[in-house]
Amino acid sequence: GAGVSQSPSNKVTEKGKDVELRCDPISGHTALYWYRQSLGQGLEFLIYFQGNSAPDKSGLPSDRFSAERTGGSVSTLTIQRTQQEDSAVYLCASSPIKAGGSETQYFGPGTRLLVL
Amino acid sequence: AQSVTQLGSHVSVSEGALVLLRCNYSSSVPPYLFWYVQYPNQGLQLLLKYTSAATLVKGINGFEAEFKKSETSFHLTKPSAHMSDAAEYFCAVSERGSSYKLIFGSGTRLLVRP
Repeated sequence: GAGVSQSPSNKVTEKGKDVELRCDPISGHTALYWYRQSLGQGLEFLIYFQGNSAPDKSGLPSDRFSAERTGGSVSTLTIQRTQQEDSAVYLCASSPIKAGGSETQYFGPGTRLLVL
Repeated sequence: AQSVTQLGSHVSVSEGALVLLRCNYSSSVPPYLFWYVQYPNQGLQLLLKYTSAATLVKGINGFEAEFKKSETSFHLTKPSAHMSDAAEYFCAVSERGSSYKLIFGSGTRLLVRP
Protein backbone atom coordinates (compact mmCIF):
# COMPACT_ATOMS: atom_id res chain seq x y z
CA GLY A 1 0.00 0.00 0.00
CA ALA A 2 0.92 3.66 -0.11
CA GLY A 3 3.46 4.84 2.39
CA VAL A 4 4.03 8.24 3.94
CA SER A 5 4.49 10.89 1.28
CA GLN A 6 6.10 14.29 1.62
CA SER A 7 6.30 17.29 -0.64
CA PRO A 8 8.27 18.94 -1.96
CA SER A 9 11.21 16.56 -2.02
CA ASN A 10 13.61 19.48 -2.24
CA LYS A 11 13.18 23.14 -1.40
CA VAL A 12 15.63 25.97 -1.85
CA THR A 13 14.69 29.29 -0.33
CA GLU A 14 16.24 32.59 0.59
CA LYS A 15 16.91 33.60 4.15
CA GLY A 16 13.90 35.37 5.62
CA LYS A 17 11.30 33.66 3.44
CA ASP A 18 8.54 31.42 4.78
CA VAL A 19 8.27 27.77 3.71
CA GLU A 20 5.59 25.11 4.01
CA LEU A 21 6.34 21.41 4.05
CA ARG A 22 3.59 18.86 3.57
CA CYS A 23 3.12 15.34 4.90
CA ASP A 24 0.54 12.76 3.86
CA PRO A 25 0.48 9.95 6.43
CA ILE A 26 -0.53 6.36 5.85
CA SER A 27 -4.30 6.09 5.69
CA GLY A 28 -5.77 5.21 9.06
CA HIS A 29 -2.72 6.17 11.09
CA THR A 30 -3.77 8.47 13.89
CA ALA A 31 -0.32 9.45 15.14
CA LEU A 32 1.90 11.77 13.12
CA TYR A 33 5.41 12.98 13.93
CA TRP A 34 7.82 15.51 12.45
CA TYR A 35 11.56 15.08 12.89
CA ARG A 36 14.52 17.07 11.64
CA GLN A 37 17.77 15.56 10.45
CA SER A 38 20.76 17.87 10.30
CA LEU A 39 24.50 17.40 10.27
CA GLY A 40 25.06 19.12 13.56
CA GLN A 41 22.11 17.85 15.55
CA GLY A 42 21.37 14.42 14.11
CA LEU A 43 17.76 13.24 14.18
CA GLU A 44 15.58 15.26 16.52
CA PHE A 45 11.88 15.26 17.33
CA LEU A 46 9.89 18.38 16.46
CA ILE A 47 6.17 17.82 17.01
CA TYR A 48 3.59 15.07 17.49
CA PHE A 49 -0.12 14.85 16.66
CA GLN A 50 -2.45 12.15 17.95
CA GLY A 51 -6.09 12.20 16.96
CA ASN A 52 -7.91 15.18 18.44
CA SER A 53 -5.52 15.60 21.35
CA ALA A 54 -3.44 18.72 21.80
CA PRO A 55 -0.15 18.32 19.90
CA ASP A 56 3.15 17.82 21.68
CA LYS A 57 5.19 20.81 20.49
CA SER A 58 8.06 20.32 22.89
CA GLY A 59 10.62 19.76 20.15
CA LEU A 60 9.99 22.89 18.10
CA PRO A 61 13.25 24.90 18.21
CA SER A 62 11.71 28.36 18.06
CA ASP A 63 8.41 30.17 17.59
CA ARG A 64 9.22 30.48 13.89
CA PHE A 65 8.22 26.83 13.59
CA SER A 66 4.58 25.74 13.62
CA ALA A 67 2.57 22.81 12.35
CA GLU A 68 -1.01 21.85 11.87
CA ARG A 69 -2.89 18.74 11.00
CA THR A 70 -6.16 19.16 9.23
CA GLY A 71 -8.95 16.61 9.48
CA GLY A 72 -6.68 14.17 11.26
CA SER A 73 -4.76 13.44 8.09
CA VAL A 74 -2.47 15.78 6.14
CA SER A 75 -0.01 17.86 8.12
CA THR A 76 1.85 21.03 7.19
CA LEU A 77 5.02 22.21 8.89
CA THR A 78 5.61 25.94 8.45
CA ILE A 79 8.88 27.72 9.04
CA GLN A 80 8.66 31.50 9.08
CA ARG A 81 11.55 33.86 8.38
CA THR A 82 13.87 30.99 7.54
CA GLN A 83 17.46 31.07 8.74
CA GLN A 84 20.47 29.23 7.36
CA GLU A 85 20.52 26.97 10.42
CA ASP A 86 17.08 25.69 9.37
CA SER A 87 18.73 23.86 6.47
CA ALA A 88 18.08 20.17 7.10
CA VAL A 89 16.02 17.20 6.01
CA TYR A 90 12.56 17.28 7.52
CA LEU A 91 11.10 13.81 8.03
CA CYS A 92 7.50 12.94 8.70
CA ALA A 93 6.39 9.67 10.26
CA SER A 94 3.04 8.11 11.07
CA SER A 95 1.96 5.19 13.20
CA PRO A 96 -1.28 3.40 14.02
CA ILE A 97 -3.30 3.78 17.20
CA LYS A 98 -1.09 4.37 20.18
CA ALA A 99 -0.82 1.38 22.51
CA GLY A 100 2.09 2.10 24.76
CA GLY A 101 4.88 3.21 22.48
CA SER A 102 5.76 -0.04 20.79
CA GLU A 103 4.18 0.81 17.46
CA THR A 104 6.42 1.21 14.46
CA GLN A 105 6.75 4.70 13.08
CA TYR A 106 6.73 4.68 9.28
CA PHE A 107 8.83 7.40 7.74
CA GLY A 108 8.41 9.37 4.56
CA PRO A 109 11.32 10.17 2.21
CA GLY A 110 11.78 13.62 3.69
CA THR A 111 11.98 17.17 2.40
CA ARG A 112 15.49 18.53 1.94
CA LEU A 113 15.45 22.23 2.80
CA LEU A 114 18.29 24.53 1.86
CA VAL A 115 18.23 28.12 3.06
CA LEU A 116 20.60 30.41 1.16
CA ALA B 1 15.87 12.05 30.14
CA GLN B 2 16.42 9.04 27.96
CA SER B 3 19.39 8.90 25.62
CA VAL B 4 20.96 6.57 23.09
CA THR B 5 24.66 6.16 22.37
CA GLN B 6 25.99 4.55 19.23
CA LEU B 7 29.69 3.78 19.39
CA GLY B 8 31.47 4.40 16.12
CA SER B 9 30.21 6.86 13.57
CA HIS B 10 31.69 4.66 10.82
CA VAL B 11 32.13 0.90 10.70
CA SER B 12 33.87 -0.82 7.80
CA VAL B 13 33.65 -4.54 7.14
CA SER B 14 34.50 -6.85 4.28
CA GLU B 15 31.75 -8.53 2.32
CA GLY B 16 30.88 -11.77 4.08
CA ALA B 17 32.21 -10.62 7.45
CA LEU B 18 30.25 -10.22 10.67
CA VAL B 19 28.47 -6.91 11.16
CA LEU B 20 28.28 -5.54 14.71
CA LEU B 21 26.79 -2.11 15.36
CA ARG B 22 26.70 -1.01 18.99
CA CYS B 23 23.88 0.73 20.81
CA ASN B 24 23.56 1.59 24.48
CA TYR B 25 20.59 3.31 26.04
CA SER B 26 19.82 5.03 29.28
CA SER B 27 16.37 4.57 30.68
CA SER B 28 14.90 4.35 34.13
CA VAL B 29 12.13 2.05 32.95
CA PRO B 30 12.17 -0.85 30.47
CA PRO B 31 12.27 0.84 27.09
CA TYR B 32 11.08 0.04 23.63
CA LEU B 33 14.07 -0.07 21.31
CA PHE B 34 14.30 0.21 17.55
CA TRP B 35 16.88 -0.10 14.79
CA TYR B 36 16.24 1.83 11.60
CA VAL B 37 18.25 1.86 8.37
CA GLN B 38 18.57 4.82 6.02
CA TYR B 39 19.75 4.42 2.45
CA PRO B 40 21.06 7.49 0.61
CA ASN B 41 18.39 10.11 -0.05
CA GLN B 42 15.67 7.97 1.50
CA GLY B 43 13.66 7.97 4.68
CA LEU B 44 14.13 5.57 7.57
CA GLN B 45 13.08 1.94 7.33
CA LEU B 46 12.48 -0.24 10.37
CA LEU B 47 14.88 -3.17 10.70
CA LEU B 48 13.61 -4.54 13.99
CA LYS B 49 12.23 -3.56 17.36
CA TYR B 50 12.28 -4.78 20.96
CA THR B 51 8.98 -4.61 22.81
CA SER B 52 9.77 -6.91 25.75
CA ALA B 53 8.37 -10.08 24.19
CA ALA B 54 11.75 -11.71 23.55
CA THR B 55 15.28 -10.51 24.19
CA LEU B 56 16.62 -11.77 20.86
CA VAL B 57 14.85 -9.97 18.05
CA LYS B 58 15.09 -10.94 14.41
CA GLY B 59 14.51 -8.38 11.71
CA ILE B 60 14.59 -7.95 7.99
CA ASN B 61 17.55 -8.63 5.72
CA GLY B 62 19.13 -11.12 8.14
CA PHE B 63 19.71 -8.62 10.96
CA GLU B 64 19.08 -9.39 14.61
CA ALA B 65 19.63 -7.64 17.92
CA GLU B 66 19.77 -8.77 21.52
CA PHE B 67 18.37 -6.75 24.41
CA LYS B 68 20.65 -7.00 27.44
CA LYS B 69 19.20 -5.20 30.41
CA SER B 70 22.28 -5.69 32.59
CA GLU B 71 24.44 -3.97 29.98
CA THR B 72 21.74 -1.51 28.82
CA SER B 73 22.62 -2.55 25.29
CA PHE B 74 20.82 -3.40 22.08
CA HIS B 75 23.57 -4.21 19.60
CA LEU B 76 22.72 -5.01 15.99
CA THR B 77 24.38 -7.95 14.25
CA LYS B 78 24.38 -9.76 10.93
CA PRO B 79 26.48 -12.88 10.37
CA SER B 80 27.56 -12.07 6.83
CA ALA B 81 27.67 -8.58 5.32
CA HIS B 82 26.42 -7.92 1.83
CA MET B 83 27.28 -4.97 -0.36
CA SER B 84 23.65 -3.89 -0.23
CA ASP B 85 23.92 -3.45 3.56
CA ALA B 86 25.95 -0.28 3.09
CA ALA B 87 23.80 2.44 4.66
CA GLU B 88 23.39 4.46 7.84
CA TYR B 89 21.91 2.73 10.86
CA PHE B 90 20.10 4.42 13.71
CA CYS B 91 19.25 3.03 17.11
CA ALA B 92 16.31 4.67 18.86
CA VAL B 93 14.36 4.46 22.08
CA SER B 94 10.69 5.26 22.39
CA GLU B 95 10.22 7.72 25.19
CA ARG B 96 7.38 6.72 27.43
CA GLY B 97 4.98 9.48 28.13
CA SER B 98 2.41 11.34 26.18
CA SER B 99 3.91 11.20 22.71
CA TYR B 100 6.21 8.17 22.54
CA LYS B 101 8.55 10.16 20.35
CA LEU B 102 11.70 8.44 19.20
CA ILE B 103 15.04 9.51 20.62
CA PHE B 104 17.76 8.59 18.18
CA GLY B 105 21.42 7.83 18.47
CA SER B 106 23.84 9.71 16.28
CA GLY B 107 23.93 6.94 13.69
CA THR B 108 26.56 4.57 12.35
CA ARG B 109 27.52 4.52 8.71
CA LEU B 110 28.28 0.97 7.56
CA LEU B 111 30.76 0.57 4.74
CA VAL B 112 31.08 -2.82 3.06
CA ARG B 113 34.32 -3.53 1.20
CA PRO B 114 34.29 -5.98 -1.70
